[in-house]
Amino acid sequence: KNEVEQSPQNLTAQEGEFITINCSYSVGISALHWLQQHPGGGIVSLFMLSSGKKKHGRLIATINIQEKHSSLHITASHPRDSAVYICAVAPRDDKIIFGKGTRLHILP
Amino acid sequence: DTGVSQDPRHKITKRGQNVTFRCDPISEHNRLYWYRQTLGQGPEFLTYFQNEAQLEKSRLLSDRFSAERPKGSFSTLEIQRTEQGDSAMYLCASSPSHTYEQYFGPGTRLTVT
Repeated sequence: KNEVEQSPQNLTAQEGEFITINCSYSVGISALHWLQQHPGGGIVSLFMLSSGKKKHGRLIATINIQEKHSSLHITASHPRDSAVYICAVAPRDDKIIFGKGTRLHILP
Repeated sequence: DTGVSQDPRHKITKRGQNVTFRCDPISEHNRLYWYRQTLGQGPEFLTYFQNEAQLEKSRLLSDRFSAERPKGSFSTLEIQRTEQGDSAMYLCASSPSHTYEQYFGPGTRLTVT
């Protein structure tokens, strides 16, 4: 069983829709990352959070430490948001454990 | 601040050849990480350095793989006698002390033919 599970694996939506990507994990963590990976491979860090909620532009990330669950939301989605979104957790030993990613495709 | 850089961005090599990748972390970041990502999968941890010391190596890192960070700045990852299964994206990340936030480079995509 993977220590980090993301859902859905693939998501196609129309431009303007509200998007939610979920991440569940089974280990104790110090922090959780949401990462974005565009075709071509480069990874961009979107959020690092250890409690509560963070917002950056149209992106919102929440985490519930007790339930070991995090969500990434995208409001007013746009085709340029099309990418793979990866949840990664940082257990207390420095190594990051990555989920397999959610492939998001926003249709114009 | 130029961010984490990796060189080359793409490498195509024939099976059995040796390859070396370079990662330049953000200045002053004393932690440096190598990850490997195969198609359709999330990245997997390979190894990490604190300054010049290699503190941990994954079981994924076979004897054909070696990583160095001789002066605690840039790092190299060498793969000897490449195999087709080595084809992947090799990602480097760096972080300052006392934080779990990692900054990722653009990756080196290796194709072994």
